[in-house]
Amino acid sequence: DAGITQSPRHKVTETGTPVTLRCHQTENHRYMYWYRQDPGHGLRLIHYSYGVKDTDKGEVSDGYSVSRSKTEDFLLTLESATSSQTSVYFCAISERQGMAAKNIQYFGAGTRLSVL
Amino acid sequence: QQQVKQSPQSLIVQKGGISIINCAYENTAFDYFPWYQQFPGKGPALLIAIRPDVSEKKEGRFTISFNKSAKQFSLHIMDSQPGDSATYFCAAMPDSGSARQLTFGSGTQLTVLP
Repeated sequence: DAGITQSPRHKVTETGTPVTLRCHQTENHRYMYWYRQDPGHGLRLIHYSYGVKDTDKGEVSDGYSVSRSKTEDFLLTLESATSSQTSVYFCAISERQGMAAKNIQYFGAGTRLSVL
Repeated sequence: QQQVKQSPQSLIVQKGGISIINCAYENTAFDYFPWYQQFPGKGPALLIAIRPDVSEKKEGRFTISFNKSAKQFSLHIMDSQPGDSATYFCAAMPDSGSARQLTFGSGTQLTVLP
């Protein structure tokens, strides 16, 4: 999975608890993304980062926050998990944007999160 | 608002047959159209991509057909094999903007029967 490690791979938590998912890359790519995947919705962008400490919101950012203190790590935090956040979460990376050959996003293996 | 509409939701094809998945988009600023393939328990992986300056791109058994005026593009899998059984996502990216984000279709689960 292109030098991308997501942890944990599976997590079960209770409503109202905080949860942090980690994405670690060894490719030194500038851009990192968090998506959620739900049946019938494909992949939807939650947040993305275009550099250390540079992040921005995606399509479904409510209830999520992110941080990127190092190039290789991008953290996704659910401050107070809700059942609607039960999903499979994917991290992706890309080298650069603005050039077709570099638009490729590489995905991690995903984290399956269940909020009970 | 779903900017990329994908159909069908599921598709069953016999081995050796042709699999066709269709996508339609609304945003005329989109200028990069990739297809991703996802196997169970794995992340999506880029399969093939096209830009709107060409009407077709072929890589092995996989072909993208692109119709800019109709704002539609499709994936054709020739001589489909059981190993092609996976979920396929079309996507689109605009030619400008703060991050050139990918917008995905809802996915098509393809099953190729042996």
